Amino acid sequence: EAGVAQSPRYKIIEKRQSVAFWCNPISGHATLYWYQQILGQGPKLLIQFQNNGVVDDSQLPKDRFSAERLKGVDSTLKIQPAKLEDSAVYLCASSFSGSNGEQYFGPGTRLTVT
Amino acid sequence: SQQGEEDPQALSIQEGENATMNCSYKTSINNLQWYRQNSGRGLVHLILIRSNEREKHSGRLRVTLDTSKKSSSLLITASRAADTASYFCATGIQGAQKLVFGQGTRLTINP
Repeated sequence: EAGVAQSPRYKIIEKRQSVAFWCNPISGHATLYWYQQILGQGPKLLIQFQNNGVVDDSQLPKDRFSAERLKGVDSTLKIQPAKLEDSAVYLCASSFSGSNGEQYFGPGTRLTVT
Repeated sequence: SQQGEEDPQALSIQEGENATMNCSYKTSINNLQWYRQNSGRGLVHLILIRSNEREKHSGRLRVTLDTSKKSSSLLITASRAADTASYFCATGIQGAQKLVFGQGTRLTINP
């Protein structure tokens, strides 16, 4: 079975620019997660979707970050405007259901903000 | 906020030795999971232990869970160079539909 796909793999932008990341979860997985992983730390959940509804976005900096999951499949995460501290790896994951079960991760997008 | 705290933060051992990593957490959980992350890659699920289980095995992996102490350990036996990676514990919080990851242990296996 195909895994979680993410693009781009790498992105370098200047501060105050905008950037978007794309994620395609495993087919049939209802739950999709976006994580931010700063170098040397564990992943931090930014937003969790169940189908196309938001379950948890308590740690999403809503003044600059937005995410959507149209039609309950693909998802995009946007940052506008970017700050230096947004430099991190953005990981997308999916699971069959959202009940604390096993999550399948994509390769991530490494964002560098200069 | 990170719930799980891994110990040690970094571990370096010789190939063939056993590696033990520990994880402590703060709140009640449904399960605890361990993930591996190779440099520059996404996380890979290794093993899940439910809150009513005390020990679980998968190949060279052995996980224990002590809910009274709110702690877990991951043992990798007969380590190999390919085991070099970062290992994260993730807790399935009771009453929430999400995982909370710890800071990770960086494991280096020296040939």
